[in-house]
Order: sequence, then structure tokens, then C-alpha cells
Amino acid sequence: GAGVSQSPSNKVTEKGKDVELRCDPISGHTALYWYRQRLGQGLEFLIYFQGNSAPDKSGLPSDRFSAERTGESVSTLTIQRTQQEDSAVYLCASSSRVGGDQPQHFGDGTRLSIL
Amino acid sequence: AQRVTQPEKLLSVFKGAPVELKCNYSYSGSPELFWYVQYSRQRLQLLLRHISRESIKGFTADLNKGETSFHLKKPFAQEEDSAMYYCALDSSYKLIFGSGTRLLVRP
Repeated sequence: GAGVSQSPSNKVTEKGKDVELRCDPISGHTALYWYRQRLGQGLEFLIYFQGNSAPDKSGLPSDRFSAERTGESVSTLTIQRTQQEDSAVYLCASSSRVGGDQPQHFGDGTRLSIL
Repeated sequence: AQRVTQPEKLLSVFKGAPVELKCNYSYSGSPELFWYVQYSRQRLQLLLRHISRESIKGFTADLNKGETSFHLKKPFAQEEDSAMYYCALDSSYKLIFGSGTRLLVRP
């Protein structure tokens, strides 16, 4: 595709429900990142995947958060037993590989609202 | 701790005025720094990175290791520069973002 695609664009759910967010990276990009942006704040790193290497999960805020990636394609971010503080925009980015010299290309994000 | 600080939430200037968006960082090691921009109803996108030493859309940013700063500058602001600007630091391949500065360029 032309860019990073995320779905759904908006998600409203009740506290305690599980949610699954999807990211389609740019074709050929081996690195994929998830970030969270709470209202009025900067982006907060959650997790990244690079090829077949073990993902860097150091930013996941709790064990309710998990993410998977199939090969070098789609990734899903799952939040179990959602809480109100999980309300945020979840952004996905991809790059041709990890490295400071490789720009990250962002999707439009999924706006998650927990009632 | 690794951190990026953008002290101004909002910066308002008139068209043609100089602009400086401040960014300070905390990092042990040789930093790799970026500016990302988000225009209204558009995606977050890379504006420039210090390793390239480039000027994009008239913007430049110089890394000052002594002051641990990476301020974004433009000598003459344009209305189309109005956007949200984020400074970011590469830390083991993940980006640490500042909280952002909204630039408003008035006619």
C-alpha cells in the first residue's frame, strides 16, 4: 500500500472489554513500532518488531498489553480488560529497518475510548 | 533517564517573523535527534534529522551537545507552517518524543 494503514480508526468500548488494534506496515518494511499518545502528551513507545528478532516489549505498560506480528506484515496490538486510562490514540509506524538513520512512517492511528 | 523536553505547548507568531521551537534532551551517549511534524488532518511525518544536517521547508535544527538542545528554527514563518511539532530522540531504535509544541502562524 501507499502508507501505513491502521484499523479501526475509532474504537469505543466498555471498561473491562478486550480490544484488538491492527496495523498494516508499508510493504517491505521490516521494522514495526507501536506508540500510544494520551491527550495533550507526546508519543509513548510501546513495542517494536524487527524481522524475525525477538520484539522489544520494554514499553508495554502492563501485562494486559500484548502484540503480535506475522512475519514482516500485519501486527495486532491487544489490550485485555481495558481500563479508562487506556483511552488514547494508538499509533503504528514502520521503517525499512531499525536504526536512527531510518525514518519511521506513521499511520493515522486508532483513537480508543474506554467508557 | 532519557528524556525530551519541549517547554512550550503553544507558540504563536505573525507571518514573516522568525520562529524557534525549543527542544532539550537528556541522553548518555551520542544522541540521534529528529523533528516530526503533524499538519492539520494529516499523519505525523518526519521533518528533519540532525545527522542529515539538512534544511527542509526552510527549517533547520542544530545539535548543541553542550546545551543538550536541538532547537528548530526558521527565519521567516509562513501560515502553512502552522502545525504540531514534536522533537524525538532515538534510544536503541525506539523514539522518545517530547510533548509537542503547537505552532500557530497568524496572517
